[in-house]
Amino acid sequence: GAVVSQHPSRVICKSGTSVKIECRSLDFQATTMFWYRQFPKQSLMLMATSNEGSKATYEQGVEKDKFLINHASLTLSTLTVTSAHPEDSSFYICSAETGSGNTIYFGEGSWLTVV
Amino acid sequence: QKEVEQNSGPLSVPEGAIASLNCTYSDRGSQSFFWYRQYSGKSPELIMFIYSNGDKEDGRFTAQLNKASQYVSLLIRDSQPSDSATYLCAVIGGDDYKLSFGAGTTVTVRA
Repeated sequence: GAVVSQHPSRVICKSGTSVKIECRSLDFQATTMFWYRQFPKQSLMLMATSNEGSKATYEQGVEKDKFLINHASLTLSTLTVTSAHPEDSSFYICSAETGSGNTIYFGEGSWLTVV
Repeated sequence: QKEVEQNSGPLSVPEGAIASLNCTYSDRGSQSFFWYRQYSGKSPELIMFIYSNGDKEDGRFTAQLNKASQYVSLLIRDSQPSDSATYLCAVIGGDDYKLSFGAGTTVTVRA
């Protein structure tokens, strides 16, 4: 099946710094990618829809200036958490839509811990 | 606002039994339906997708879709301890590619 890769899988950063998470579609081109956040024992929360070559669409309540999304190519989207705070600590997951049959696959997820 | 509701868990079944998971959705225009399995601390893994009314079987998993009733289910036959996980129902609406997730149902298979 289609593969979506995320990097890094785990990252620890200091409060106030920024951290970038990459999401790559390895064997297909993804015009649309999605970024989710999941707190422990909760369901996935969609943060934003990343569209190749255009600005991301953010869900209500998600700060676009804090969570910067760039989708510069058909195989790569990045999420940058700026000025991270401990409350940003979470599991961040990307997904990509294959374009054939509307199947969506998830990356492995990235654990962010802000200390 | 799309809503996806799953039967509340946790669901505990003995090894070898059938686990039955239910999901209803509010957007009648929804086109695509997915079941994901998520182990604790891991990313969701696609198990099944279904687009047409009826049953779709893949190994021990069977997805059932009834668009008229806005209902989709997942049956896990011959449940194994490795099936213990949270199962997420997800739906793509009629006008975008956004997945709307249910809250998930946690399944525990007792050896």
